[in-house]
Amino acid sequence: GAVVSQHPSWVICKSGTSVKIECRSLDFQATTMFWYRQFPKQSLMLMATSNEGSKATYEQGVEKDKFLINHASLTLSTLTVTSAHPEDSSFYICSAPGTSGVAAQYFGPGTRLLVL
Amino acid sequence: GENVEQHPSTLSVQEGDSAVIKCTYSDSASNYFPWYKQELGKRPQLIIDIRSNVGEKKDQRIAVTLNKTAKHFSLHITETQPEDSAVYFCAASIGSGGSYIPTFGRGTSLIVHP
Repeated sequence: GAVVSQHPSWVICKSGTSVKIECRSLDFQATTMFWYRQFPKQSLMLMATSNEGSKATYEQGVEKDKFLINHASLTLSTLTVTSAHPEDSSFYICSAPGTSGVAAQYFGPGTRLLVL
Repeated sequence: GENVEQHPSTLSVQEGDSAVIKCTYSDSASNYFPWYKQELGKRPQLIIDIRSNVGEKKDQRIAVTLNKTAKHFSLHITETQPEDSAVYFCAASIGSGGSYIPTFGRGTSLIVHP
């Protein structure tokens, strides 16, 4: 149980375009999901907390107009990188907290974004 | 906010040796401490966790200890094997019910030489 999927697994795009990444909880409902960015050989940096039915909460320094988050349902959150630039190239991972008092995070497989 | 320091950044051991990774945290309200293993290009996987009301927890070759007074916790891997090679992240979380938001350490790259 507690499987989180992400799509796409990798994407290459041109500078200036927008990219949408989907995060789905497959066998449980997630009212909250988290979006992380991970640069090579670095830690997971929390970008924002996605809340079903309300606005996302962004961490300090993360541009909410650039990284659009929509938590459309109890099983789907999307992250859209708008007007992507090469410095946005990174590994983006979503996670959802466990259910029924389980404290651990369940991570998606990640999306590798390369902006040319 | 919470700040988690993790050491060492790289750890190289021979197969069969023990490996210890240490983390400290700043917020005394943190009450949940998971450890994740991340292989190259893959998602982090929970390997063991401990809550603030417990001092030690063991699962086969892996153990975690927590010192709340000193605000540090450690991961111990015994009888290391090449497949233990990965990046390990500690995290400190504050929460209750189903809502724990972790702050991650910077990670430790463990290399186990056969």
